[in-house]
Amino acid sequence: GESVGLHLPTLSVQEGDNSIINCAYSNSASDYFIWYKQESGKGPQFIIDIRSNMDKRQGQRVTVLLNKTVKHLSLQIAATQPGDSAVYFCAENSGAGGTSYGKLTFGQGTILTVHP
Amino acid sequence: DGGITQSPKYLFRKEGQNVTLSCEQNLNHDAMYWYRQDPGQGLRLIYYSQIVNDFQKGDIAEGYSVSREKKESFPLTVTSAQKNPTAFYLCAGARDHNSPLHFGNGTRLTVT
Repeated sequence: GESVGLHLPTLSVQEGDNSIINCAYSNSASDYFIWYKQESGKGPQFIIDIRSNMDKRQGQRVTVLLNKTVKHLSLQIAATQPGDSAVYFCAENSGAGGTSYGKLTFGQGTILTVHP
Repeated sequence: DGGITQSPKYLFRKEGQNVTLSCEQNLNHDAMYWYRQDPGQGLRLIYYSQIVNDFQKGDIAEGYSVSREKKESFPLTVTSAQKNPTAFYLCAGARDHNSPLHFGNGTRLTVT
C-alpha cells in the first residue's frame, strides 16, 4: 500500500532557531497534505495543510513546502519555542472523489525537542 | 467549548472482555473516524462514518465494531477477537472532505 514516511525520527534545536521537519510520500495521486503536532498523552493537533495545486503555504510561524517532483513535504517552524516540543506527523490523502476523505495515511512522526 | 470528547482517558480490561470507547462531538461534523496509535508509530484507520447509520471499514477493522445511530456519537467496541487491543485510540471528525480532521484527546486502553 501507499505510505508516508519521515527522514528524521528526532530533531533537537535551540530555542529561537528555525526547525525543519521533512516527510516523503509515495502516492503520486495524493492531493492533500497535513501536518499535525501531538503532545504527550493528547490527540494530534492540526497545524497547517496544503493542496497539491500549491507548493508553499504559510501560517503563523509555520510554513509548509510541497515538492511534487520528488514527493517531498516539509514543515518549517520559525523561532522555535520550548512549547513547540512534540511529535510532528505528516499525513496525506489521495482524495479520490471524496470516497477516501479523512482516510489519511500518516507518517511515523518526528520528535522535536527544543532546548531553552 | 466545541470539540471531540473521548472518554474515559484510561481504560483497563481483562483479556476476553469486550470494551466500548466513547466518542462524542458537538461540532456538527458529518464524518467521524477511529484511529489506533501504537508506540512510535503513526495512526492507522480502524473505521469511519460519513453519515448517520452508515460506516465503512478502515485498514485495520478486524476485531472492532462501531455504530453511528446519532450524528454526535461514534462509539468503538474493541472485541475479544482483537488480538492486540492494547493501544491509544483516537477519534476524529471532519466537517467535509475539504476540511482537516480534528482529533479528540484519546483513550488509552490496556488489556491484560
